[in-house]
Amino acid sequence: DTGVSQNPRHKITKRGQNVTFRCDPISEHNRLYWYRQTLGQGPEFLTYFQNEAQLEKSRLLSDRFSAERPKGSFSTLEIQRTEQGDSAMYLCASSLNSYEQFFGPGTRLTVL
Amino acid sequence: EDQVTQSPEALRLQEGESSSLNCSYTVSGLRGLFWYRQDPGKGPEFLFTLYSAGEEKEKERLKATLTKKESFLHITAPKPEDSATYLCAVLGRRGGGNKLTFGTGTQLKVEL
Repeated sequence: DTGVSQNPRHKITKRGQNVTFRCDPISEHNRLYWYRQTLGQGPEFLTYFQNEAQLEKSRLLSDRFSAERPKGSFSTLEIQRTEQGDSAMYLCASSLNSYEQFFGPGTRLTVL
Repeated sequence: EDQVTQSPEALRLQEGESSSLNCSYTVSGLRGLFWYRQDPGKGPEFLFTLYSAGEEKEKERLKATLTKKESFLHITAPKPEDSATYLCAVLGRRGGGNKLTFGTGTQLKVEL
C-alpha cells in the first residue's frame, strides 16, 4: 500500500508529558499537511510543508506544538506539556503539486 | 475567512432511497471544492474535486454538483455500505492557498 501512513495509531498520555507523531506521505508527494479533528467536527488546518520548508502555520498551533519535515520526506509533529484539550485525532495529508490532499488514517491522542 | 456549512447534520435513509447532501460555502477566490468520505476512526477518503460552477462529477452511486454558492452530493439508490460521514471542504486563494476549510460533515446512515 502506497498511501499516507501515520504512527502511532493511538497514543494515551498523561497531562504534562511530551508526545511525537510521525507521518510518511505518499512517495514523491512534495506537499505535506497536518490537521486536527475533534469529535463531531471537520478537520482543522494546523500547518503545511512544501518539501522541507514549513510555509504556513495556523493560529491553532501554539508554542507547545512543533512540526518538522527533514529532507522533505517524513514529518513529525511534537506536542510539549500536553493538556487535556489536546485530545483529538491528528491527521496528516499529502499532495503532489495539485489541490487534492490525500489523508492518512490519523493518530488518536488521549490526554488523561 | 472561508466558511463551509453542511446540512443536514445527520440523515437516515432506507436502502434504495435517494437523497442529497448540501454544502454551502463562502470563500475568497475558490480554487476547488472537495468531497471526502470518512468512516469512524479513520482518515477522510478523497471522493471528488469540483473547480467551477456548473461542473459535475460522478462515481458509482455518488454525483457531486457545484454552483457559485453551494455544492450537492447526490446519492442514488444508496446501500448500507454508503453509511459514513461525508465532509465538504474548500480551498481558497487567501494566504498561501493551501489550507482546506472543512464543514462539520453529514453523518449518513443507510438501513436495510
